[in-house]
Amino acid sequence: QSALTQPRSVSGSPGQSVTISCTGTSSDVGAFNYVSWYQQHPGKAPKLIIYDVTKRPSGVPDRFSGSKSVNRASLTISGLQAEDEADYYCCSYAGSYTPDVVFGGGTKLTVL
Amino acid sequence: QVQLVESGGGVVQPGRSLRLSCAGSGLSLSNNAIYWVRQAPGKGLEWVAVISYDGSNKDYADSVKGRFTISRDNSKNTVYLQMNSLRAEDTALYYCARGGGAAAGPAFDYWGQGTLVTVSS
Repeated sequence: QSALTQPRSVSGSPGQSVTISCTGTSSDVGAFNYVSWYQQHPGKAPKLIIYDVTKRPSGVPDRFSGSKSVNRASLTISGLQAEDEADYYCCSYAGSYTPDVVFGGGTKLTVL
Repeated sequence: QVQLVESGGGVVQPGRSLRLSCAGSGLSLSNNAIYWVRQAPGKGLEWVAVISYDGSNKDYADSVKGRFTISRDNSKNTVYLQMNSLRAEDTALYYCARGGGAAAGPAFDYWGQGTLVTVSS
């Protein structure tokens, strides 16, 4: 199973909105509403920011939102802030056969 | 402090073995699936293995199947990853992560700080 496809990089100015796409297949993203998103700052462990496609864990600002259409999931960050600059990874459940989950290759967000 | 704590990483020669541990501190692991996820230097995240809450179900990425074994001891609140026949391409920072929480599907709500495995002669 191939990794999910994400853009290598995106950028935006403070206050703007950016959207990061995550393209999978009918065997992973398209088959289940189990897409999650992770934010990773340099030298730090990933942090869960979206789960089950659209849900936010407690403490994650509502500037972060998730969606899905067919085989493509998206993460939108509105009202960009300097601290949002990080790597972002999507992840999808891929069924009960190997692999259990599959990650995207990651997207570097630069806040200009 | 609620956290996962990994240990056991180090420098090892190709073909040798290592055992990683993932302990819950202030965090019970016994009701959750636990995942190992690795990140090669400068690269993205790669799922490695998963074990169900009671250890009855396990799954592995094709890249490690037959070489790595995941296990758990809920009495010690600890999950293990036994890594045999290590290869240079196994060099990575290995994270353990707790699955579930509020999520209906696999989502990793707690992560450890990672333990570095370097396979080199």
